[in-house]
Amino acid sequence: KQEVTQIPAALSVPEGENLVLNCSFTDSAIYNLQWFRQDPGKGLTSLLLIQSSQREQTSGRLNASLDKSSGRSTLYIAASQPGDSATYLCAVKRGSSASKIIFGSGTRLSIRP
Amino acid sequence: GAVVSQHPSRVICKSGTSVKIECRSLDFQATTMFWYRQFPKQSLMLMATSNEGSKATYEQGVEKDKFLINHASLTLSTLTVTSAHPEDSSFYICSVTGGGGGSYNEQFFGPGTRLTVL
Repeated sequence: KQEVTQIPAALSVPEGENLVLNCSFTDSAIYNLQWFRQDPGKGLTSLLLIQSSQREQTSGRLNASLDKSSGRSTLYIAASQPGDSATYLCAVKRGSSASKIIFGSGTRLSIRP
Repeated sequence: GAVVSQHPSRVICKSGTSVKIECRSLDFQATTMFWYRQFPKQSLMLMATSNEGSKATYEQGVEKDKFLINHASLTLSTLTVTSAHPEDSSFYICSVTGGGGGSYNEQFFGPGTRLTVL
């Protein structure tokens, strides 16, 4: 059974710092891994999707890496801003496009001005 | 990516009533839709997977007679919470995925529906 863990559960850093959020999964046979952002009381916004054959994806100040063999992914946020404050969720998909994805418990990020 | 809407965004109902939540894929042929539930400060828990035109597949522990799912078209799925009770109060989120194009294996999420049962 696939389990997804995110550490830390909460993180507070001053504005401008670079930071890394961690995600680990127990079954390396994944189809893809996706990072999401969720603001309080809102739905999910997809940030980055990494296919199983890829090692990383970049979008603006965000960079996500994937190491399937070790069951790990990281989300790197450069030059953090108060607007980056949110909960960040990683999720892995095992099979085809229609298969379900398993979410981690999330990291609540707070950027202090 | 796909644009997904949910209606209503918030609903408050009395215990024992039924509530219907709609999930619409506005610009995407959603062959598969997922329904999630999220309790405060917890992650999303998958409730069921529905494919257009067929019965939904429910996750273990989710009562199919209580949470009725209908996926009648490629753009619409509904979740009906029957005989709602206070413990059903939660944030319900749908997501869609489908075939073809660069987004074929990505899930797109709706904005969620906050259900409060009094």
